[in-house]
Amino acid sequence: DVKVTQSSRYLVKRTGEKVFLECVQDMDHENMFWYRQDPGLGLRLIYFSYDVKMKEKGDIPEGYSVSREKKERFSLILESASTNQTSMYLCASSLAGILVSGPIGAKNIQYFGAGTRLSVL
Amino acid sequence: KQEVTQIPAALSVPEGENLVLNCSFTDSAIYNLQWFRQDPGKGLTSLLLIQSSQREQTSGRLNASLDKSSGRSTLYIAASQPGDSATYLCAVELLSPDKLIFGTGTRLQVFP
Repeated sequence: DVKVTQSSRYLVKRTGEKVFLECVQDMDHENMFWYRQDPGLGLRLIYFSYDVKMKEKGDIPEGYSVSREKKERFSLILESASTNQTSMYLCASSLAGILVSGPIGAKNIQYFGAGTRLSVL
Repeated sequence: KQEVTQIPAALSVPEGENLVLNCSFTDSAIYNLQWFRQDPGKGLTSLLLIQSSQREQTSGRLNASLDKSSGRSTLYIAASQPGDSATYLCAVELLSPDKLIFGTGTRLQVFP
C-alpha cells in the first residue's frame, strides 16, 4: 500500500513565524502535491512537483514556497505565517502524470496523507 | 476556467437505499475524472478513476459514469450502509497543466 505521511496532524503557530510542513511518500512516486482545504472552497492546489528540485505553482501559491530535495520528500514552507493561512493542509503523491507516456489509470491516482490542521494565531 | 460543482451539498438517507451523487464540470477537455472519499478530519481516499475515453467504472457497490460531452459524472452507491457516511469529492484532471480541480463535495450520512 502507498503511504503518504505528513509530519504533524495539528500545529499551532503565531503570526509571523516560519512554518514547515513535511510530507514523505514511500512508493517512489514522481509527482507530489500540496493542497489546502477550506469550508465552502474545497481543495485548492498550492504547489506541485514533477521531480526532484522541480516545482510548479498551483492556483494559490502566494505566501507559500516549497522544497523537493529528495524524491520522497516535499516540504511546504510558510515564510511568515498569517491568520488567513489557518487551514487543513493535504499532501498527495502520484506515480506519474500525463507528462509521462504510457497507459493512464493507476499512475494518475493521487494518494493523500492524513492532513495537517494548522492554526495561526 | 474549469469549475467543478457537486450537488447536493449534503444528503441524509436510511440504510439500504440506493443513491446518486452528481458532479458537473464546465470544460469537457479533461484527461480523467476521479471520485474520492474523505472521512472527517482525514485525508482523501481514491475510489474510482474514469479515463476520458471511458463511460463508467465499477468497484463493488460503487459505479461511476462519465458523460464528457455534457460535462457530467454520477457516483451510484448501491445498498448504502452507515459505513458509507463520509464526504465524497469528485475531481477532474486537466490536460494541461497536469493537475486536479476538485468539487466542494457531497456530505453523505447513512443512518441505521
